[in-house]
Amino acid sequence: AQSVTQLDSHVSVSEGTPVLLRCNYSSSYSPSLFWYVQHPNKGLQLLLKYTSAATLVKGINGFEAEFKKSETSFHLTKPSAHMSDAAEYFCVVSETGTYKYIFGTGTRLKVLA
Amino acid sequence: KAGVTQTPRYLIKTRGQQVTLSCSPISGHRSVSWYQQTPGQGLQFLFEYFSETQRNKGNFPGRFSGRQFSNSRSEMNVSTLELGDSALYLCASSLVQNPNTGELFFGEGSRLTVL
Repeated sequence: AQSVTQLDSHVSVSEGTPVLLRCNYSSSYSPSLFWYVQHPNKGLQLLLKYTSAATLVKGINGFEAEFKKSETSFHLTKPSAHMSDAAEYFCVVSETGTYKYIFGTGTRLKVLA
Repeated sequence: KAGVTQTPRYLIKTRGQQVTLSCSPISGHRSVSWYQQTPGQGLQFLFEYFSETQRNKGNFPGRFSGRQFSNSRSEMNVSTLELGDSALYLCASSLVQNPNTGELFFGEGSRLTVL
């Protein structure tokens, strides 16, 4: 069975400092992994995805994530936080043939001025 | 290109009533899926449709149902509403036949409040 665990429910960083949002996954087969962002009262937007190509994935707005099979992790990083990055971030896993995505519980990112 | 459109955006119902939510996917997208988002349970998968066929269903009671029309538009219905059904219901569409590897495009959701 597939599952995803986001290790931090809240993360606070100062503007201009690095961001690290942690995600571990469990999957029986080769999974597809995604990070989505949700701003208040908005739908979700894809940041980046991993689908068995390069293990370092670059996304929008300067975010990137590294797929580490040995650690079953897919952590999201950004070198320098911006105030506009304040939002909720979801790590997502999916397996071919299931036609569904499993969402983590979310990490709320706060960016301090 | 228009995004995923969900209607209504907000609605209030009372226990025991039923509700129908509508989703129009991005033009050309044939896969539509529904998710329930609550503060306590997060985002939970309800069901996924492709070419009018339900391909998977989440762990929700039979009060939750859905369908997809030939133009890919989808509706979900919740009958005999309970207080716990209060949530943001999100619809997502995907271009690829196997959405597991593709991007989901989300609507802004329908916020249901059950009193």
